[in-house]
Amino acid sequence: QKEVEQNSGPLSVPEGAIASLNCTYSDRGSQSFFWYRQYSGKSPELIMFIYSNGDKEDGRFTAQLNKASQYVSLLIRDSQPSDSATYLCAVRSNDYKLSFGAGTTVTVRA
Amino acid sequence: SQTIHQWPATLVQPVGSPLSLECTVEGTSNPNLYWYRQAAGRGLQLLFYSVGIGQISSEVPQNLSASRPQDRQFILSSKKLLLSDSGFYLCAWSGLRYEQYFGPGTRLTVT
Repeated sequence: QKEVEQNSGPLSVPEGAIASLNCTYSDRGSQSFFWYRQYSGKSPELIMFIYSNGDKEDGRFTAQLNKASQYVSLLIRDSQPSDSATYLCAVRSNDYKLSFGAGTTVTVRA
Repeated sequence: SQTIHQWPATLVQPVGSPLSLECTVEGTSNPNLYWYRQAAGRGLQLLFYSVGIGQISSEVPQNLSASRPQDRQFILSSKKLLLSDSGFYLCAWSGLRYEQYFGPGTRLTVT
């Protein structure tokens, strides 16, 4: 069973602060890592993907990957109320499937 | 650009009734296609995936089935719905880097 674990939250941050979301995975052979944002009642939307150790930045979002520690994170800088959503971590091992975490709910306080 | 459609958007069905949910993708050829279910407050459960016409892999044994009659069409079916089948059903296709893109979903309530 390939497991992906996330803190369920809720994670509450003030507007303008950095939100830090964490994700760990069990399959050491995992190759690709994805972050999705899901607003209440809506379908998940791809934010970022990362394949190599280190950081990858896209606008206010930074994904960080540490394969040795089997850990991937997402930082949201200058958090806005519109960032309030559930964030899903997904991991691909060596086939066509993604394993999803249960998600972390983020609330940005104005 | 690629677009994924799902219908219906919402559905209320009695226990024991049949089900047919449809998903179509535009703007890409021979995509890998996926059906997920998300129960209220829960994560995504992969139900089926398909790498081509007529090729279906089942992830969870249950009273659901899937079919892919055309390259860009994926159908989820049931002969008799259970209360536990209620949830948010999502269809997705995968891109070149295995990232998945989701349709708008169908919210199913079994009463």
